[in-house]
Amino acid sequence: QSALTQPRSVSGSPGQSVTISCAGTSSDVGGNNFVSWYQQEPGKAPKLLIYDVNKRPSGVPDRFSGSRSGNTASLTISGLQDEDEADYYCCSYAGSYTFVVFGGGTKLTVL
Amino acid sequence: QLQLQESGPGLVKPSETLSLTCTVSGGSINSSSYFWGWIRQPPGKGLEWIGSIYYSGGTYYTPSLKSRVTISVDTSKNQFSLKVSSVTAADTAVYYCARRLVRGPTIDYWGQGTLVTVSS
Repeated sequence: QSALTQPRSVSGSPGQSVTISCAGTSSDVGGNNFVSWYQQEPGKAPKLLIYDVNKRPSGVPDRFSGSRSGNTASLTISGLQDEDEADYYCCSYAGSYTFVVFGGGTKLTVL
Repeated sequence: QLQLQESGPGLVKPSETLSLTCTVSGGSINSSSYFWGWIRQPPGKGLEWIGSIYYSGGTYYTPSLKSRVTISVDTSKNQFSLKVSSVTAADTAVYYCARRLVRGPTIDYWGQGTLVTVSS
């Protein structure tokens, strides 16, 4: 299965909103309700931000939100803060519930 | 609080077998709600799902690595392990162990990661 498609980089100024897209197919992103998003700071393990397309684990600020339209999922970060500068990855099933696929990752730069 | 910790050699020679163990503490590996999996990240690159195991021993591997990967579980030690055979420089990566929900590709706990370098 192929990796999901994310933009390599996005940027925004503090206080602004940015959206990161994750394009897949009807066999993965568009075919189930289990898209998740992860934030990875340099040198650290990824951290769960969003699961089941639009749900936030406890402790994740409501500035982070997820959505999906067709075969493309999106992560929106509103009220951008300096500490949001990190890499972001989407994740979904790939063809069956036993296989998992990640997006290629998006580097967010806070200007 | 659940914790996962990877352990194993940081340097492996080409053509040999990479072996890592993940020790789970603060919770039991014997749960029907989770898979226990391995993910890797080559330096400067993205995440790649390797595969996962259920507490009962059922395994699921990503197709591109299936011929070289074995994941096993030892419930008595609350550990699970990864073996990758016939390694090359392309297998150099940070290897993470993680807990994944059965009901979705949601990875809620990650180990800190361990760098494995393949070099002679």
